[in-house]
Amino acid sequence: AQSVTQLGSHVSVSEGALVLLRCNYSSSVPPYLFWYVQYPNQGLQLLLKYTTGATLVKGINGFEAEFKKSETSFHLTKPSAHMSDAAEYFCAVTKGQAGTALIFGKGTTLSVSS
Amino acid sequence: DADVTQTPRNRITKTGKRIMLECSQTKGHDRMYWYRQDPGLGLRLIYYSFDVKDINKGEISDGYSVSRQAQAKFSLSLESAIPNQTALYFCATSDLGQGYTGELFFGEGSRLTVL
Repeated sequence: AQSVTQLGSHVSVSEGALVLLRCNYSSSVPPYLFWYVQYPNQGLQLLLKYTTGATLVKGINGFEAEFKKSETSFHLTKPSAHMSDAAEYFCAVTKGQAGTALIFGKGTTLSVSS
Repeated sequence: DADVTQTPRNRITKTGKRIMLECSQTKGHDRMYWYRQDPGLGLRLIYYSFDVKDINKGEISDGYSVSRQAQAKFSLSLESAIPNQTALYFCATSDLGQGYTGELFFGEGSRLTVL
């Protein structure tokens, strides 16, 4: 069975600091991996995704993530946090085959202070 | 207009009442999903449908039922609502075609409170 573990339910950074949100996955087959963001009182928006090919994936708003098969990780980073990055972030995995739904992690709330 | 529309956006009801949450999409996607979001638990899959004749249970289907009335419509019903079904419910769609990636497209959510 697939699963996703997000380390840290809450991460706090200062504006301008590095953002690092951790995600580890478990999958019996090559996975497709996703990061979604949820701003307050809104739905979920795709930040970035890894399917195949280049393991460093760039997304919207300056975020990027690296797929590391040996570490079963897909950590999300941003070099310099902005106040507008404050939101909840979800990592998700699917089997990479037609016929499966996304499995989500429990989420990490990012707070950004000035 | 949103590609994935959920109604109602907010609903307060009482224990034992029947509730229906509706979802419609204009993306032309075959696949539709219902997820539930609870604080600290992330999103959990309730039901999903890969086409009009296909309905599948997710990890937390007990107490819920669904109907896929058309390719564009997928409704979630709570036959007899209970307080622990208080949550934020999301409908989502995905495409199954060339370039399939599994990406989900979400509605804005329906907040349900059961008293």
